[in-house]
Amino acid sequence: GAVVSQHPSRVICKSGTSVKIECRSLDFQATTMFWYRQFPKQSLMLMATSNEGSKATYEQGVEKDKFLINHASLTLSTLTVTSAHPEDSSFYICSASLWQTNTEAFFGQGTRLTVV
Amino acid sequence: AQKITQTQPGMFVQEKEAVTLDCTYDTSDQSYGLFWYKQPSSGEMIFLIYQGSYDEQNATEGRYSLNFQKARKSANLVISASQLGDSAMYFCAMRETPSSGAGSYQLTFGKGTKLSVIP
Repeated sequence: GAVVSQHPSRVICKSGTSVKIECRSLDFQATTMFWYRQFPKQSLMLMATSNEGSKATYEQGVEKDKFLINHASLTLSTLTVTSAHPEDSSFYICSASLWQTNTEAFFGQGTRLTVV
Repeated sequence: AQKITQTQPGMFVQEKEAVTLDCTYDTSDQSYGLFWYKQPSSGEMIFLIYQGSYDEQNATEGRYSLNFQKARKSANLVISASQLGDSAMYFCAMRETPSSGAGSYQLTFGKGTKLSVIP
């Protein structure tokens, strides 16, 4: 089956610094990728939809200047948390779908971000 | 209103027994898809099963089956012969037809059910 790889799996950063998270589709082309955020013991909340070659679409309440998304190729989307603060600590997970079928969404392994 | 409702925050099941995890959904679309994912403590989202709104038969994947009752808008997951490794969070999710056209098939998740399998 299709594989989505997310890196890094864990990151600890200092408050005020920026962190980049990569999401790669390894064996298929993903024109659209999705970024989710998950707080402990809660559900996944969609942050933004990343479209290859165009600007990302952010969900209401998500700061686009804080969570920068770049989808420069059909296999790579990146999420950069800028000027991170402790409240940004969370589990971030990406997913990608095959354009040809909508019967399955493939998820990355997730990134646990801790801002100290 | 919530689009996906999972009313069971936590469930216990005896090993080798069957368990049903509830999921109801709300949509006005005729074409939609329903998914179940398993999330162990490691955090990865493991796809379990998919049911399309036009599928006439209930989906099955090994020990997983989806009890799809379209009129009641429910899509319960049934796990047969539970194993200790089934202990995890389970999420029901829905994909609706995007209003903006193709390529925006994001999933909306329920709050999840924590399943604990007792030896």
